Amino acid sequence: DQQVKQNSPSLSVQEGRISILNCDYTNSMFDYFLWYKKYPAEGPTFLISISSIKDKNEDGRFTVFLNKSAKHLSLHIVPSQPGDSAVYFCAASGRIQGAQKLVFGQGTRLTINP
Amino acid sequence: GAGVSQTPSNKVTEKGKYVELRCDPISGHTALYWYRQSLGQGPEFLIYFQGTGAADDSGLPNDRFFAVRPEGSVSTLKIQRTERGDSAVYLCASSPSVTSVEQYFGPGTRLTVT
Repeated sequence: DQQVKQNSPSLSVQEGRISILNCDYTNSMFDYFLWYKKYPAEGPTFLISISSIKDKNEDGRFTVFLNKSAKHLSLHIVPSQPGDSAVYFCAASGRIQGAQKLVFGQGTRLTINP
Repeated sequence: GAGVSQTPSNKVTEKGKYVELRCDPISGHTALYWYRQSLGQGPEFLIYFQGTGAADDSGLPNDRFFAVRPEGSVSTLKIQRTERGDSAVYLCASSPSVTSVEQYFGPGTRLTVT
């Protein structure tokens, strides 16, 4: 069963516009949610996180929104820049058997067009 | 400071052979995680270490997979009798402790079993 889902495999956005990436989860025990960015041949790089007790976290051009009742989170990037082109993974973190394990979605490939 | 490093970056092996994949975590990080990423999927948890001991190996797919971290720093993931289905990118991550939410990933080892 897929506990974290990113239903859009790809997204194309014009430079300067807003990019919105979506993520759904099923397990209400998750206590943190994270977004990672991945370039080809590199490991995922942490971008931004949000605690389950909050509904919004902002860091520069990046904002993550959490809707716990809908079990849905989204990452907003504004304005989008060509360097934002990458695969974005949503991850949920929960204290499972003593460790903060990460459960990842399938990823969304974001392409920013000039 | 140095990030997580993994060697080799690429490994091609024949079906049935034995392989070892190495991970050097960030200095001082006590928690170390192994993930496997198949094409078009997000990383999937394999095993984590707190110090030298494998605290949770519930993600290892079968007993052909084994990992060690003898001195609480470098870790080696070992795969016996490799199968074509083992082909994937193997990612290592470390974090300051198992209760830390954010994990720092290495670039991965791309394993191809022919």
